[in-house]
Amino acid sequence: EAQVTQNPRYLITVTGKKLTVTCSQNMNHEYMSWYRQDPGLGLRQIYYSMNVEVTDKGDVPEGYKVSRKEKRNFPLILESPSPNQTSLYFCASSPETGISNQPQHFGDGTRLSIL
Amino acid sequence: QQPVQSPQAVILREGEDAVINCSSSKALYSVHWYRQKHGEAPVFLMILLKGGEQKGHEKISASFNEKKQQSSLYLTASQLSYSGTYFCGTERSNTGKLIFGQGTTLQVKP
Repeated sequence: EAQVTQNPRYLITVTGKKLTVTCSQNMNHEYMSWYRQDPGLGLRQIYYSMNVEVTDKGDVPEGYKVSRKEKRNFPLILESPSPNQTSLYFCASSPETGISNQPQHFGDGTRLSIL
Repeated sequence: QQPVQSPQAVILREGEDAVINCSSSKALYSVHWYRQKHGEAPVFLMILLKGGEQKGHEKISASFNEKKQQSSLYLTASQLSYSGTYFCGTERSNTGKLIFGQGTTLQVKP
């Protein structure tokens, strides 16, 4: 089944404890992206990757890191999480290097709570 | 830079029509529409590229007015399954950077 898989789905952790949210897609998609969703603010793009080894900042990259060492994986790293990073996170992928004429397929989301 | 969606919320009866608007202060290259049901991931509806095209998807269609930097999503003869939050995303150039609006919550009642 074609899908975008995020892990973990839920995580409660403490301030300053490094964490990684994994994202993997099995559709051989070129483009991948991370979003966070907060009430009243909609979806905000954190980082995106047009293809392997290429990553770019989205609208809210502060406090996050990403890497794209292989096509299928795009992990989101929080080196020193803070409570303001408590949010619902979505990973998405798209077939081509751009998204201008391509749909994005979203994972089921990861709910992070940072105490 | 975030596009502004209006209205913020709308309640309809089955069979009624609705229009959701998405406005940007910047020139746009493409506009993306997604629907998200409660507790689920966003699902793709359609993309419009600059050029003022209009697209249709069953009873859901959209237009893109490049000069006004505005897109509108039209929901015709709404069904219960149309309930959810609708997001527009805007791209200023073909870079992959997408900025979403705050969302419009649509509730369709029997």
